Amino acid sequence: DSGVTQTPKHLITATGQRVTLRCSPRSGDLSVYWYQQSLDQGLQFLIQYYNGEERAKGNILERFSAQQFPDLHSELNLSSLELGDSALYFCASSVGLPYVEQFFGPGTRLTVL
Amino acid sequence: SQQGEEDPQALSIQEGENATMNCSYKTSINNLQWYRQNSGRGLVHLILIRSNEREKHSGRLRVTLDTSKKSSSLLITASRAADTASYFCATGSGAGSYQLTFGKGTKLSVIP
Repeated sequence: DSGVTQTPKHLITATGQRVTLRCSPRSGDLSVYWYQQSLDQGLQFLIQYYNGEERAKGNILERFSAQQFPDLHSELNLSSLELGDSALYFCASSVGLPYVEQFFGPGTRLTVL
Repeated sequence: SQQGEEDPQALSIQEGENATMNCSYKTSINNLQWYRQNSGRGLVHLILIRSNEREKHSGRLRVTLDTSKKSSSLLITASRAADTASYFCATGSGAGSYQLTFGKGTKLSVIP
């Protein structure tokens, strides 16, 4: 158990819908990262927050957004869902520099029908 | 885009044998990390090697880094069935950020 929690574990929804994925980092970790894992694209970095502020953006679509709240939990919002958004979404956390090891949650499996 | 590329894509060995996986990357790095993923589950951090290190050990794991060749290898000695998983190398990048860029992984199967 990494100490990172993600809810829900599974999510099935229809195209055009909007969903919110939630992540609670390890106690004391200030950085939260979101990744998407799909069969064709592999593991892709989406976005990072550090202590409430957006720190880096990766291959995140405009339909997706995220935020980190004062209690450091984070939410990833996916809207206007398409079939291709079906994937595993992972949240990871780390203490912050200079410690760069990341601790991953169990993931949320999103299926868009 | 993928920074690290693992080789081979799949590897099948007998329990007790050693498993070697390789990773090549394209740009300069500060560190390289190896992660393990059991099927459909979260990734587990295995080991980190910094750019000024050449070799690192952790239990049955041995990682080497050759920055001149932009490559790393992960050796798992005396493999066990429980080592069956996908293994990913990841490079840290981005000033002050350290988001990870992953390769596509090596799928290791250890046959009892």
